[in-house]
Amino acid sequence: ETGVTQSPTHLIKTRGQQVTLRCSSQSGHNTVSWYQQALGQGPQFIFQYYREEENGRGNFPPRFSGLQFPNYSSELNVNALELDDSALYLCASSSRQGTYTEAFFGQGTRLTVV
Amino acid sequence: DQQVKQNSPSLSVQEGRISILNCDYTNSMFDYFLWYKKYPAEGPTFLISISSIKDKNEDGRFTVFLNKSAKHLSLHIVPSQPGDSAVYFCAARGGQGAQKLVFGQGTRLTINP
Repeated sequence: ETGVTQSPTHLIKTRGQQVTLRCSSQSGHNTVSWYQQALGQGPQFIFQYYREEENGRGNFPPRFSGLQFPNYSSELNVNALELDDSALYLCASSSRQGTYTEAFFGQGTRLTVV
Repeated sequence: DQQVKQNSPSLSVQEGRISILNCDYTNSMFDYFLWYKKYPAEGPTFLISISSIKDKNEDGRFTVFLNKSAKHLSLHIVPSQPGDSAVYFCAARGGQGAQKLVFGQGTRLTINP
């Protein structure tokens, strides 16, 4: 068990709605990254947060936004949901000094947009 | 633009034999490569990694080989065990401090008894 927890585990939303996904990072880790994994694909980088600041962003529109809190937990917000946003959303926690060998993934949140 | 590709969606291997999973990449700026293993309903678990300055890294039953000239890496599992059945993802980290990982599409490995 990695110590990274995500909530909720499953979620169903209607197109046009907004959603907030949550992630608590592993103790001692100060960096959180979010990934989207569509069915049959590998995870795709959304963005990363380090010490409450966005530190790198993938090819996702601005309606994908995030926050990191002083305790290093994080939220992913998606506005104006589209059907293609249906995916598994993964959070990865790591230490800033480490390579990704130090990254630990949560179990993911399965989002279904109908 | 798929910078990291795993061309085999699935692989079936007999228990006790060698499993070889392959991965190709296009971006020569990648400086670190990693393999993750994923069981259903769980997040990916880190397995093994290799720096771009090396050509081999070994950890128990797992060995990763990197061929930079061919932009190809492979994961060898010897001997394969039933618990190795999972989806395996190859991932690469961009160089120059880039923080994101670029993942391949994954290969589903099935170990048959």
